[in-house]
Amino acid sequence: DQQVKQNSPSLSVQEGRISILNCDYTNSMFDYFLWYKKYPAEGPTFLISISSIKDKNEDGRFTVFLNKSAKHLSLHIVPSQPGDSAVYFCAASPLGAGGTSYGKLTFGQGTILTVHP
Amino acid sequence: SQTIHQWPATLVQPVGSPLSLECTVEGTSNPNLYWYRQAAGRGLQLLFYSVGIGQISSEVPQNLSASRPQDRQFILSSKKLLLSDSGFYLCAWSLDTNYEQYFGPGTRLTVT
Repeated sequence: DQQVKQNSPSLSVQEGRISILNCDYTNSMFDYFLWYKKYPAEGPTFLISISSIKDKNEDGRFTVFLNKSAKHLSLHIVPSQPGDSAVYFCAASPLGAGGTSYGKLTFGQGTILTVHP
Repeated sequence: SQTIHQWPATLVQPVGSPLSLECTVEGTSNPNLYWYRQAAGRGLQLLFYSVGIGQISSEVPQNLSASRPQDRQFILSSKKLLLSDSGFYLCAWSLDTNYEQYFGPGTRLTVT
């Protein structure tokens, strides 16, 4: 049962344009959402996150949008740069109150973003 | 600042051989620790997590095991590797008050 889905295996974008990466989830208990970026043969790097009490969080060129009713989140990268080319994972966690609850990240399959110069 | 180390970076092992992957974290105390596996073309699967020394929770039944002998040391082991154990193994840490997890560089394991 894939509780977090990234239905687009890949995305190709021109440098300077917007990249939009999508993620859907099925578990209504998910309360906190994260995006990670991963280069080949390296560990994922945390990018940005959003709590379910918000619908938008922005950090520089990266903005995450959350639509709770649709159980959908997206990551916008504006403007896209060739260095952004990587695999992007979304992840979700259920509501927690410390300790083990914070460890329960469920990851999507990832989307390969390629930004062309 | 905090850093996380994993070794070895790559490993080729025959079927039936034992496995030991090590992960250590510096710059923080009492972190939550995690082992993930990324199989080819797939997402990250949580294998084990630990909230303290000697405390291990398993997420997926398999022939792997984990141990936490020290506060900032996490070890992934197997007595007999299977072909299906091949993959990219990642260790991660987090504070017990935050959702964000921070990953190590990973170990590429190939079982032949």
